Order: sequence, then C-alpha cells, then structure tokens
Amino acid sequence: GAVVSQHPSRVICKSGTSVKIECRSLDFQATTMFWYRQFPKQSLMLMATSNEGSKATYEQGVEKDKFLINHASLTLSTLTVTSAHPEDSSFYICSARDIGIEQYFGPGTRLTVT
Amino acid sequence: GQNIDQPTEMTATEGAIVQINCTYQTSGFNGLFWYQQHAGEAPTFLSYNVLDGLEEKGRFSSFLSRSKGYSYLLLKELQMKDSASYLCAVRPLGNQGGKLIFGQGTELSVKP
Repeated sequence: GAVVSQHPSRVICKSGTSVKIECRSLDFQATTMFWYRQFPKQSLMLMATSNEGSKATYEQGVEKDKFLINHASLTLSTLTVTSAHPEDSSFYICSARDIGIEQYFGPGTRLTVT
Repeated sequence: GQNIDQPTEMTATEGAIVQINCTYQTSGFNGLFWYQQHAGEAPTFLSYNVLDGLEEKGRFSSFLSRSKGYSYLLLKELQMKDSASYLCAVRPLGNQGGKLIFGQGTELSVKP
C-alpha cells in the first residue's frame, strides 16, 4: 500500500523559534498533500491544501505567514511553524493523495513548544 | 457551512455489534469516508461511500443515505483491538483537491 512518512515524529522547541516538519510520499507521486492539526481528544482540523509547484490554499482562520507550506516536489511537502508559541503545541498530520480518491496519512509529528 | 456530527463516546462488549452514526451538512457532497485512529497514531482508511447503500468489508460495513445526510459504520464481532477513535469525513463538491472535512470522532471502548 501507499506509504507516507513524516519527520520528525516528535520535536520540542523553545517559544519564538521555528520548526520544520517534512512529509514524504515514499512509493507514489502525490498530486496533492494536506496538512492537519489535531488537539488532544479532538478531530483533525484541515489547515491547508498543497499542490506541487503552486501556493498552498489555507483554510479560514489559519495564518499563512505563520504556517509556511512548501510543496517542492511530487513526493515532498514541508510545514514550517514560524515563531512558535505554546498554543501551537499539537499533533500535526499530513496526508497525500495520488490520482485516486483516498488520502494516505503520515504517522504524525508531536510538537511541544516550551 | 460545514457540519459533521458523531457521538463523542461509545462503549460496547467484546463479540458484540456496534453502530456508529454520522450526520452531515456540507456545501455539496462528493463522498464520505470512515477512518480508524488509535491514540497517537495516524488515521487508517476503513471505507468509502459515494452512492446510497451498504458497503461491506469483512467485519466492517458502512451505509450512506445522501437524501438524509446520514451514514453509519457497523462493526461486527468486536475485538479489544477495535478500541479506537472512529472518524467520519466528508469530501465536499468543487475543485478543492479532494480535501476532507472531519467530524469530531467517536471514541469506542470495547470491554471484555
């Protein structure tokens, strides 16, 4: 089956610093990648939709200057949380989609901002 | 607007059958997905419905009624490992790259 990886799996950073999270589709080319955030005991909230070579489409209420998304190739998308604050601590999950209907999810990245 | 409702928690007994309901009101409809998510892990795909009716896949079945904006996930012969969160997600119409809108998830506890 299709595999999506994320790196790092866990990261702790200090308030005010930036953190980059990578999402890779390992055995298929992803036409579209999605970034979600999930707080404890809550569902996945879509942050943005990313297509290779074009600007990401952000959901309402998501600051595009704070959550920078780069989709440099058909197998790699990155999310950079800039000037992180404790309230940005969350579980960040990416998913990737090829030409089919299904989204394949990465294992997630646990971000803790101290 | 988009609204997807599921019960927050359910409890069932090992070996039994449980039905998890999902109702939705979205700007157009282009398919409904069910995912399973264990704590701290990524969601895994269970089922996809785009036409009315029942889709069966082993112990898991999913039903859709588009006119009622309603779906359910049926789990048979429950096992302890089925304890997880079950997420209902709708894909709205339009060229939005196939994005999904998720419900809040139903936390299922299977007890011996």
